[in-house]
Amino acid sequence: DSGVTQTPKHLITATGQRVTLRCSPRSGDLSVYWYQQSLDQGLQFLIQYYNGEERAKGNILERFSAQQFPDLHSELNLSSLELGDSALYFCASSPLSVGELFFGEGSRLTVL
Amino acid sequence: AQTVTQSQPEMSVQEAETVTLSCTYDTSENNYYLFWYKQPPSRQMILVIRQEAYKQQNATENRFSVNFQKAAKSFSLKISDSQLGDTAMYFCAFMKNQGAQKLVFGQGTRLTINP
Repeated sequence: DSGVTQTPKHLITATGQRVTLRCSPRSGDLSVYWYQQSLDQGLQFLIQYYNGEERAKGNILERFSAQQFPDLHSELNLSSLELGDSALYFCASSPLSVGELFFGEGSRLTVL
Repeated sequence: AQTVTQSQPEMSVQEAETVTLSCTYDTSENNYYLFWYKQPPSRQMILVIRQEAYKQQNATENRFSVNFQKAAKSFSLKISDSQLGDTAMYFCAFMKNQGAQKLVFGQGTRLTINP
């Protein structure tokens, strides 16, 4: 158990809909990362938050947004969903020091 | 931008054998970290081993060891006495030591350990 909690574990929805994925980092970790894992694109970095502020942005679509709240949990919002958004979405957290990311079990999103 | 390349999409060995997974990377950074993550069928991403670029000594964790060749930008993973539980996808990953500390992953190698 990495200590990172993601909900929901599975989600099935229709095209055009909006979903929210939630992540609770390990206790004390200030950084939260979101990754998308799909068959054709592999593991892609989406966005990083550090202590509530956006720190780095990767290949995140404009239809996607994220935030980190004062209690350090984070949410990834996916809107106007398309079939191609079906993927496994990972959240990871890390402590202040560099060197390791701890991953949650992922949220599997299926868009029909 | 950093890139990570794993040239072996799939590998298969017999239990108890030794297997080496290859990884090369491209960066202009001098200070960075390299990692191997394991993703079993449960899909959890599990850290196997990490290497700091400034350390010349290769990292070792029990049956797992790396061969880090900084000049060649090569970072291979050796699994000794392989076990059925080692069956998983293995991802090589790179992280800069400063700035945006995001992991850049390779495409992965699917390793199967046969009984």
